[in-house]
Amino acid sequence: GAVVSQHPSWVICKSGTSVKIECRSLDFQATTMFWYRQFPKQSLMLMATSNEGSKATYEQGVEKDKFLINHASLTLSTLTVTSAHPEDSSFYICSATIDVEQFFGPGTRLTVL
Amino acid sequence: KQEVTQIPAALSVPEGENLVLNCSFTDSAIYNLQWFRQDPGKGLTSLLLIQSSQREQTSGRLNASLDKSSGRSTLYIAASQPGDSATYLCAVRRGQNFVFGPGTRLSVLP
Repeated sequence: GAVVSQHPSWVICKSGTSVKIECRSLDFQATTMFWYRQFPKQSLMLMATSNEGSKATYEQGVEKDKFLINHASLTLSTLTVTSAHPEDSSFYICSATIDVEQFFGPGTRLTVL
Repeated sequence: KQEVTQIPAALSVPEGENLVLNCSFTDSAIYNLQWFRQDPGKGLTSLLLIQSSQREQTSGRLNASLDKSSGRSTLYIAASQPGDSATYLCAVRRGQNFVFGPGTRLSVLP
């Protein structure tokens, strides 16, 4: 199957700093990627849909100024958590679709101290 | 608004048992339904994808069925093994929107 990678796999940062997470499609081009957040023992919640060359579409309740998404190429989408706070600590997962099937990255564990 | 539920929330079985995981969704106008496996602290691995026009899909010891009219899908795991221990998530797709269920945490005891 298709491979989606994320970097870093984990990150620890101080409150108030910004953190960038990368999502790459390694062997295919993805015009659309998705960003999810998963809190401990909970399911995935879609945060936003990242569209190559255009603005991301955010789900209701997700602050677009806090979670900046850039999809500058067909193989790379980035999520920047700006001015991170402890409540932003979570597992962030990206995905991309080929035809009708979703392929997920391995996730990034963010811990904000 | 689409809501997805999964029953049971957790399941513990001895090795070798056949088991069924259930997924229900409130809006039957879906594009497809996908079952995933998630190991602790890891991303998701796709197990089976069922298109809205299909009724079931099989892969190895896994069989997934879909009854769109009643808003239900089941994942059947035959002859369970300790390596099957993980959280199983179902997700329904409508257009570009994906909605996940809360998952079933499965433990298969040796």
